[in-house]
Amino acid sequence: DQQVKQNSPSLSVQEGRISILNCDYTNSMFDYFLWYKKYPAEGPTFLISISSIKDKNEDGRFTVFLNKSAKHLSLHIVPSQPGDSAVYFCAASAQGGSEKLVFGKGTKLTVNP
Amino acid sequence: GAVVSQHPSRVICKSGTSVKIECRSLDFQATTMFWYRQFPKQSLMLMATSNEGSKATYEQGVEKDKFLINHASLTLSTLTVTSAHPEDSSFYICSARDLREVTGELFFGEGSRLTVL
Repeated sequence: DQQVKQNSPSLSVQEGRISILNCDYTNSMFDYFLWYKKYPAEGPTFLISISSIKDKNEDGRFTVFLNKSAKHLSLHIVPSQPGDSAVYFCAASAQGGSEKLVFGKGTKLTVNP
Repeated sequence: GAVVSQHPSRVICKSGTSVKIECRSLDFQATTMFWYRQFPKQSLMLMATSNEGSKATYEQGVEKDKFLINHASLTLSTLTVTSAHPEDSSFYICSARDLREVTGELFFGEGSRLTVL
């Protein structure tokens, strides 16, 4: 049973436009969510996180939105840049983030110049 | 930010041999490190949680006798793939939490690409 789902395996957007990556979860115990970015042949790097006590967190071009009732979160990248092209993983954790992370399968973002 | 280093980044070995991968936290201490495996076009799969000074906790379906984990110090965990087979070929990634952080952010190593011939 996949507890964290990223239903879009890939997404292609034009440079300068908004990229929206979606993530759904099923475990109601999850209360901390993170987004990681991964380039080929490299380990993931942390992008942004959000606690369940918030519904939005912003860091520069990256904003994460959390809809607890829908068990849905999304990552917005505005404006998108070619260097943002990578695989983005959504991850969730319980106990305020102290429990192990459960990852989605990732969404490959391609930003076209 | 905190840095986690893995070594080697790439390793090719013959079937039946053992391979050791190191994971080091360079500028922080980590009582807990995590080992993941990534198959092509798939998510990161948690293999085990490595605890400093005690036995690792393995996820269901992961053979502990095949994937030996040792967390000898607060800055070093090793994963040894014993008697490697071609199906063990994969990308192995470690991560660690900074003891000073309580927010759940993990710092990841660069990953190690294992190819078993």
